[in-house]
Order: sequence, then structure tokens, then C-alpha cells
Amino acid sequence: EAQVTQNPRYLITVTGKKLTVTCSQNMNHEYMSWYRQDPGLGLRQIYYSMNVEVTDKGDVPEGYKVSRKEKRNFPLILESPSPNQTSLYFCASSLWRGSGQPQHFGDGTRLSIL
Amino acid sequence: ELKVEQNPLFLSMQEGKNYTIYCNYSTTSDRLYWYRQDPGKSLESLFVLLSNGAVKQEGRLMASLDTKARLSTLHITAAVHDLSATYFCAVVLNTDKLIFGTGTRLQVFP
Repeated sequence: EAQVTQNPRYLITVTGKKLTVTCSQNMNHEYMSWYRQDPGLGLRQIYYSMNVEVTDKGDVPEGYKVSRKEKRNFPLILESPSPNQTSLYFCASSLWRGSGQPQHFGDGTRLSIL
Repeated sequence: ELKVEQNPLFLSMQEGKNYTIYCNYSTTSDRLYWYRQDPGKSLESLFVLLSNGAVKQEGRLMASLDTKARLSTLHITAAVHDLSATYFCAVVLNTDKLIFGTGTRLQVFP
């Protein structure tokens, strides 16, 4: 089954404790992206990747890191989480830009930073 | 600054009625997506609009794109309760960044 898998689905942690949210897709997609969703603000793009070893900032990259060492994986790293990073996070993937195909979204990861 | 504005933000409509959700954006783009999100769920792709004048229909939903006016519409025909959800438009920039609208929460009642 074609899917984007995020882990963990839920996480409660404390300020300053490094965490990683994993994202994996099994569709051989070139493009992957991370978003955060906050009430009243919609979805905002954090980082995206056009292919292996190619990443770029979205609209709200501060406080986050990403890496794309393999095509299927695109982890989101919070080196020193803070309460303002409490949010619902989505990973998405799609074929290359000219394909005209939409992004497929994971089920989301709800992070609470205390 | 790029803005993607949806209106209305909240829509309560009776079953059987028609209505249109608008998505206005402030920069040049040749691609626009519509997504649906049910409460507590992920986003589901509804439509991909790739060029000026594109029109796509699926069931009671029809989406269109006017790139000159920088406007996309999502038209709902004869609404049913199952259409209750939040609908997002998303504009793709040349850099492949994706900018979402704030969403329209649709509630269909009997």
C-alpha cells in the first residue's frame, strides 16, 4: 500500500530535549516536505526536499533541521525544542514538479513541548 | 509577501444547497491544489489544477482555476452531510514551495 509513515504519532516532551520525527514513503517520490498546522494559521511549510541531499527552507524553518540521505526518508529534527513548537506536524511526498501529481500526506504527529 | 486567502473561513449550509468557496492568491502560480481534512485526520487530495481555465469535477465538487485573476473556486452542488470537513487550497510557487490557505470549515446540516 502506497503511504507516508510518520513516527511517533504523539509525543509529549520537555523544553531543550532533542527529538526526531521520522518520515518514510514507499512511493519512490522525489519531493518530500514538512508542515506544521496550528489553529487559525493553516498549514505552513517548514522544509522541503527535491531529492536526495537537496533541501530548502519553507516559510517557518527556524528551530528545525532536516536531512535527506535516502530517497525514502526525510526526518525532522528539533535540536532544542521550545513550547512554541507545540503543534501538529505533517510530512508529505510527491513525484517531481512537472508530474502534476498532488502531495500525499502522512497521518500527522502531535508534539507537545512543555 | 505571498498571501493565499480563502473565504469564507466558516460555512454552515443546509443539505441540498449550492455554494462556492473562493481561494485568492497574490503571486504568479501555475499550479493549485485543493485538499480536504476531516477532524483529527490527515489531508486528502481532491483536485490538481495545472493551467489557466482548468476545471475538475468529482461528485458534488467542482474546482476551477483562473490564473489571470489569481483565483480558484471550489463549488459545492446539492450539499450532503458527508461533505462536512475543512477544505484547503494550496498554491505552488516556482521554487516548489507550497503555500496553504487558512482553510474553510464546512458544516452541512439537514
